[in-house]
Amino acid sequence: DVKVTQSSRYLVKRTGEKVFLECVQDMDHENMFWYRQDPGLGLRLIYFSYDVKMKEKGDIPEGYSVSREKKERFSLILESASTNQTSMYLCASTADRGFTEAFFGQGTRLTVV
Amino acid sequence: AQSVAQPEDQVNVAEGNPLTVKCTYSVSGNPYLFWYVQYPNRGLQFLLKYITGDNLVKGSYGFEAEFNKSQTSFHLKKPSALVSDSALYFCAVRDLYNTDKLIFGTGTRLQVFP
Repeated sequence: DVKVTQSSRYLVKRTGEKVFLECVQDMDHENMFWYRQDPGLGLRLIYFSYDVKMKEKGDIPEGYSVSREKKERFSLILESASTNQTSMYLCASTADRGFTEAFFGQGTRLTVV
Repeated sequence: AQSVAQPEDQVNVAEGNPLTVKCTYSVSGNPYLFWYVQYPNRGLQFLLKYITGDNLVKGSYGFEAEFNKSQTSFHLKKPSALVSDSALYFCAVRDLYNTDKLIFGTGTRLQVFP
């Protein structure tokens, strides 16, 4: 079974903290993505990566950064967490730059207090 | 710019009745379209996709979708709804300028009543 695993299901952090969200895929996929999901807004792309050490901004990168040191791992970093970053965060991966479907992790619900 | 719209926030249907969840898209060129389902507190699961070929696409759990180029639509359908189909459904379109970037709609909550 293909698998995308996010390190935490639920997180509670304080305003100003540096937060790391980790995602690991075991499918040898080249491409990995971070989305945030908010009611009424659907999924919005934060960052994506086509290869190790490569990253590109999505639609809402402000306040976030990413790291991809190994092919299977893609980390999302909130440099200084704020309450408006309270959301569900979803990691996804795809096999190549073709037209294959994305596989998603189970999501991390982050609350910033 | 590529975009996808799901005009209904919620769809209610009785168990055993047919269901339709609507999706319209806006792309320049040929669209590549996807449907995903999300159960409570879970990630998204792939249901089906249209890349080319037959306009009626069959997917997982008995779902199908009809691609209509003239109406720029890709509606999700099922002939007989189950209570277990109750979930959040997302339509997505591939960004043709960046072939691995999926653009999602806002989602439609499907509620199937016994």
